[in-house]
Amino acid sequence: EDKVVQSPLSLVVHEGDTVTLNCSYEVTNFRSLLWYKQEKKAPTFLFMLTSSGIEKKSGRLSSILDKKELFSILNITATQTGDSAVYLCAAHNDMRFGAGTRLTVKP
Amino acid sequence: DAGVIQSPRHEVTEMGQEVTLRCKPISGHDYLFWYRQTMMRGLELLIYFNNNVPIDDSGMPEDRFSAKMPNASFSTLKIQPSEPRDSAVYFCASSLGGWGSNQPQHFGDGTRLSIL
Repeated sequence: EDKVVQSPLSLVVHEGDTVTLNCSYEVTNFRSLLWYKQEKKAPTFLFMLTSSGIEKKSGRLSSILDKKELFSILNITATQTGDSAVYLCAAHNDMRFGAGTRLTVKP
Repeated sequence: DAGVIQSPRHEVTEMGQEVTLRCKPISGHDYLFWYRQTMMRGLELLIYFNNNVPIDDSGMPEDRFSAKMPNASFSTLKIQPSEPRDSAVYFCASSLGGWGSNQPQHFGDGTRLSIL
């Protein structure tokens, strides 16, 4: 059965810390992996990863995919309180989402 | 640019009633998706359309759920009759191109549905 597993489920850090969020997947006909940030409303798109080993960056956020080991990580450096959210990853075949990681950044 | 627009934002109704959720995708997007999000099950894909045609409805939980897309700018998700366990946030999303295009999906703000 296809599945996407995120870890940790919850994380509390202080401003300025660096965090790493994990996403492992087992899906048939895998095409790409997506990361979303969800605050109070709808998920907002962060990254789409299709190739192994190529890091994507956007400001303090970066992400990389390992298609051999079937996982992806999302890094956030110098965290800010505005980074507090649930981070979702999804395996882009049938858009199977993980349960998400709830990140709380304390001042 | 206008994003995906959903209505209503909130819906509270009694069990047994018919509920209709509405979605206007981003203009020019040819794929439309309906999702449901609950605390217990997370985010789930219910159904998606390509060029107004339903492609995969395997995520639709029961026959009480139905979705239509009469034209490129409008879709509905209907629940009849509604039950308390249908309470969730329902998201609509659209994209330009489907899975093979690797285009991201853009989500609406969701409809928070409460069935009493």
